[in-house]
Amino acid sequence: EIVMTQSPATLSVSPGESVTLSCRASGNVGTNLAWYQQRPGQAPRLLIYGASTRATGVAGRFTGGGSGTEFTLTISSLQSEDFAVYYCQQCNQWPPRLTFGGGTKVEIK
Amino acid sequence: QLQLQASGPGLVKPAQTLSLTCVVSGGSITNAGDYWTWIRQHPGKGLEWIGCIYYSGSTYYSPSLESRITMSLDTSNNQFSLKLTSVTAADTALYYCARHRVIVAALGGYIYDYGMDVGGQGTSVTVSS
Repeated sequence: EIVMTQSPATLSVSPGESVTLSCRASGNVGTNLAWYQQRPGQAPRLLIYGASTRATGVAGRFTGGGSGTEFTLTISSLQSEDFAVYYCQQCNQWPPRLTFGGGTKVEIK
Repeated sequence: QLQLQASGPGLVKPAQTLSLTCVVSGGSITNAGDYWTWIRQHPGKGLEWIGCIYYSGSTYYSPSLESRITMSLDTSNNQFSLKLTSVTAADTALYYCARHRVIVAALGGYIYDYGMDVGGQGTSVTVSS
């Protein structure tokens, strides 16, 4: 099983600042890496797939990057609605053995 | 616009079977490339993949749960279901259903993952006597 490790666990940021979240895979996942945002009381929302492609309707301030085992999600100029938990997820095996990272909470400083 | 709505009993006794249903609207569960998926989230914790089912009837389960899981499709009602047997307190969680769009070719040698659209608010399940 590929283990996904996200860091840091929590980021304290002021509105308007930019942040970069990290996700590391224990094995090569190519670019089959997705990012999700989960606000309190809501379902996870797909932000990025294919490591760097924004999902429909996702703001341009969200940028994904990386390949292989190292991935990043950068949020530029944080807005109030961006304070949430972010998860990475890989699916690079068939039959699928999909795994999620433990999440990074982006909180208001 | 695709909508998924999970529903279930809310409270299940230990050792019993949990049954959940996800109704899909705004899209067909027989679309090629769409894998109908269950994930769960333990209270205050992260996300866990439970498994998925394809319109062909093929099922793929998490190794840690596969001995207790059965997934099925009801194409006439555009819905899919999860049964989890022998539940314990460790199965207490918020259960979400999702559409996971994946292109698989060359017998799994090529995969392109388009990510998951997760439905609604999920359905909360508590295992308690």
